[in-house]
Amino acid sequence: KNQVEQSPQSLIILEGKNCTLQCNYTVSPFSNLRWYKQDTGRGPVSLTIMTFSENTKSNGRYTATLDADTKQSSLHITASQLSDSASYICVVSAVLAGNKLVFGAGTILRVKS
Amino acid sequence: DVKVTQSSRYLVKRTGEKVFLECVQDMDHENMFWYRQDPGLGLRLIYFSYDVKMKEKGDIPEGYSVSREKKERFSLILESASTNQTSMYLCASRLPGRQGSPLHFGNGTRLTVT
Repeated sequence: KNQVEQSPQSLIILEGKNCTLQCNYTVSPFSNLRWYKQDTGRGPVSLTIMTFSENTKSNGRYTATLDADTKQSSLHITASQLSDSASYICVVSAVLAGNKLVFGAGTILRVKS
Repeated sequence: DVKVTQSSRYLVKRTGEKVFLECVQDMDHENMFWYRQDPGLGLRLIYFSYDVKMKEKGDIPEGYSVSREKKERFSLILESASTNQTSMYLCASRLPGRQGSPLHFGNGTRLTVT
């Protein structure tokens, strides 16, 4: 069964600290993995996409990694800011008719001062 | 920037009412989607549409229908609202045929059925 599991479910960190969010998937055959950020009261917005051949990709203070062998991805946030407080959602695309997307339940991050 | 607009941020309806959720996108995207988002469950696909007048069932279509009469507009219809349809509803659009294209979401409609 195609599944995406994210951990932790929620996380509280101090402003300026780093954190890492995890995403494990069993989706097959794998096409790509995308991280979204969802601010409270808003729709999700894409942060980055990882394809099979990519191991690491950065977008400002966000760095995503992908290990296609172990089917794991991480999102590392450096020098966190209050505006990083949001839900982070991992979405995996399968190479199937319609490019089915499988969503994780998300990690709720709260950055406090 | 792509803009996806959902007509209502909050809706309160009574059990048995017919409910319309409207979504409009301004980037000429062929593909449009309706999801519901519940705590701890992630987004679940209700219906999607590849083009005008085309629709496909998603993972949880029961109790819902959709309408796509114009390319920019995708409507979700709850034929007879029930309390278990209380949820956040998100509309999205994206470019067709490109697996790497991101979904562009609206800001959601929080529906409460009493």
